[in-house]
Amino acid sequence: GNSVTQMEGPVTLSEEAFLTINCTYTATGYPSLFWYVQYPGEGLQLLLKATKADDKGSNKGFEATYRKETTSFHLEKGSVQVSDSAVYFCALSLLDTGRRALTFGSGTRLQVQP
Amino acid sequence: DGGITQSPKYLFRKEGQNVTLSCEQNLNHDAMYWYRQDPGQGLRLIYYSQIVNDFQKGDIAEGYSVSREKKESFPLTVTSAQKNPTAFYLCASRRQGGSYNEQFFGPGTRLTVL
Repeated sequence: GNSVTQMEGPVTLSEEAFLTINCTYTATGYPSLFWYVQYPGEGLQLLLKATKADDKGSNKGFEATYRKETTSFHLEKGSVQVSDSAVYFCALSLLDTGRRALTFGSGTRLQVQP
Repeated sequence: DGGITQSPKYLFRKEGQNVTLSCEQNLNHDAMYWYRQDPGQGLRLIYYSQIVNDFQKGDIAEGYSVSREKKESFPLTVTSAQKNPTAFYLCASRRQGGSYNEQFFGPGTRLTVL
């Protein structure tokens, strides 16, 4: 089956520190990969995406590269801000399945201290 | 502005009651989804619908029902058969076609059983 594994949180960083959140996946086909962010009490917002090997998704200073050889899609940011505090979800979706639903990791909570 | 709305934001249910969660989208998306989120966990798929008047069970459909009479609307009913309904419920939609499979989420409904 399909699955996504994320590093457990919480991840606690000081402002301006470098962020890495690890994500690896298992998929029966060739998935599209996503990072979503969830602020307290809210729904999920798409942060970035990638659809094929070596694609780099980027948005708001966050980046992630689709690594097929290591089945990974690690999220990085060079300098975090307090406003980045949220829960981050890695997810995959397969084009060749009828439902095209998202399979999510368990989420990683990021806490950035001033 | 286009988007997805969910109502109510908070919902309280007594034991043995059925409740219905609303989800409306004006993105003109064909596919809609319901996910359930429990604390510290990722999202799990309850039901999905690819077109009007058609829907399919997801991974945890027991105790839930849906309808899709209009393209814009995909209400979820949590029945008394759902043994542990307290959770955060998220509705999402997706445009058919394209290569990314990205989904857009509503703000969620938090259901609590009293």
